[in-house]
Amino acid sequence: TQLLEQSPQFLSIQEGENLTVYCNSSSVFSSLQWYRQEPGEGPVLLVTVVTGGEVKKLKRLTFQFGDARKDSSLHITAAQPGDTGLYLCAERDNNDMRFGAGTRLTVKP
Amino acid sequence: GAGVSQSPRYKVAKRGQDVALRCDPISGHVSLFWYQQALGQGPEFLTYFQNEAQLDKSGLPSDRFFAERPEGSVSTLKIQRTQQEDSAVYLCASSLGGVGEKLFFGSGTQLSVL
Repeated sequence: TQLLEQSPQFLSIQEGENLTVYCNSSSVFSSLQWYRQEPGEGPVLLVTVVTGGEVKKLKRLTFQFGDARKDSSLHITAAQPGDTGLYLCAERDNNDMRFGAGTRLTVKP
Repeated sequence: GAGVSQSPRYKVAKRGQDVALRCDPISGHVSLFWYQQALGQGPEFLTYFQNEAQLDKSGLPSDRFFAERPEGSVSTLKIQRTQQEDSAVYLCASSLGGVGEKLFFGSGTQLSVL
């Protein structure tokens, strides 16, 4: 069972700033998913990355998958208060999707 | 329904009480997962169903936890003799196919054991 480590644990920034959060593993990911969870709700899938070196963009969000498929990053440009939430990475582990502890992002207006 | 529905939304139980949490997955979704999310943590896997078959229950923390999905649609997670450490949000998720596909989560049941 590989351990998913997410950093930073907490991040508080002002509206308009850029930020990057990270997801790392002790071994190779088969694929990786990023989710965002808002308070009182379940996580919502943002993206799935599969290929080493892959870059995917979703509006102001850019997801990168490391060449060796052991790490991934999420970069947000010009953050907005609506980006506030818990960002989780998840990886398939046998019969389940295993989640990291998440990065809790707060964007202040 | 349009999404995954969980009930109740909130549940307060006295220590030692039995509780039952319900999940209505998206119609036609084959896979159903239960997760436990403690405050400030990511979801922790509890159990996985493919249709009515419980294929993995390795995440259930003790024999007080029991899950079923008898007709391959609605699922119930039952916790017997609840204890304070059972307090958490219990999330249900479903997917159209197997593991690794997009998970659709419900809003969860927040269980507080006093």
